[in-house]
Amino acid sequence: QKEVEQNSGPLSVPEGAIASLNCTYSDRGSQSFFWYRQYSGKSPELIMSIYSNGDKEDGRFTAQLNKASQYVSLLIRDSQPSDSATYLCAVGFSGTASKLTFGTGTRLQVTL
Amino acid sequence: DGGITQSPKYLFRKEGQNVTLSCEQNLNHDAMYWYRQDPGQGLRLIYYSQIVNDFQKGDIAEGYSVSREKKESFPLTVTSAQKNPTAFYLCASSIVVGTDSNQPQHFGDGTRLSIL
Repeated sequence: QKEVEQNSGPLSVPEGAIASLNCTYSDRGSQSFFWYRQYSGKSPELIMSIYSNGDKEDGRFTAQLNKASQYVSLLIRDSQPSDSATYLCAVGFSGTASKLTFGTGTRLQVTL
Repeated sequence: DGGITQSPKYLFRKEGQNVTLSCEQNLNHDAMYWYRQDPGQGLRLIYYSQIVNDFQKGDIAEGYSVSREKKESFPLTVTSAQKNPTAFYLCASSIVVGTDSNQPQHFGDGTRLSIL
């Protein structure tokens, strides 16, 4: 069973703080990892892709991948109230062609 | 602008009725997908297609049907056999690179289906 696990939250952080979102996955051979942001009532929006071990930065977002430990994380620096949303982790498991498996998401609340 | 268009935004189904959700993309993507999302839940894959005239069942295909007659279009029919169709339906597309390289998927705005 190929699984992607996320803590459902809510994760509450004060404005200006760093939010840290974590995701673990079951298949060590996985190659592709994505973070999506989903506002309430809206569709998911891709915010980060990462394929290699280490960190990838894009503006206030940093994705961190550790394939040996089978986890991927998303850091949001200088969190803003507009970052309040559900963050979905998606993994492309080996041997699944173009399919992605999504976690159930972590709800982030940025408080004033 | 390139993107994925889903219609209608809201849809109501009567008991025993089949309804069809539309999904069109002009991104020239090879692969298209249908997901169902229930409140507070993740995305569950219904069907996907990597090439015209071919599609595969996802994890929850029972009570649904699809077709892929054109690269741009991937309509989903919710049949009367689907006894609990109320959900948020999301269509996505992606490029296909090789046989084992998963690419990011891009989503339409979704269709909310409810039972009357």
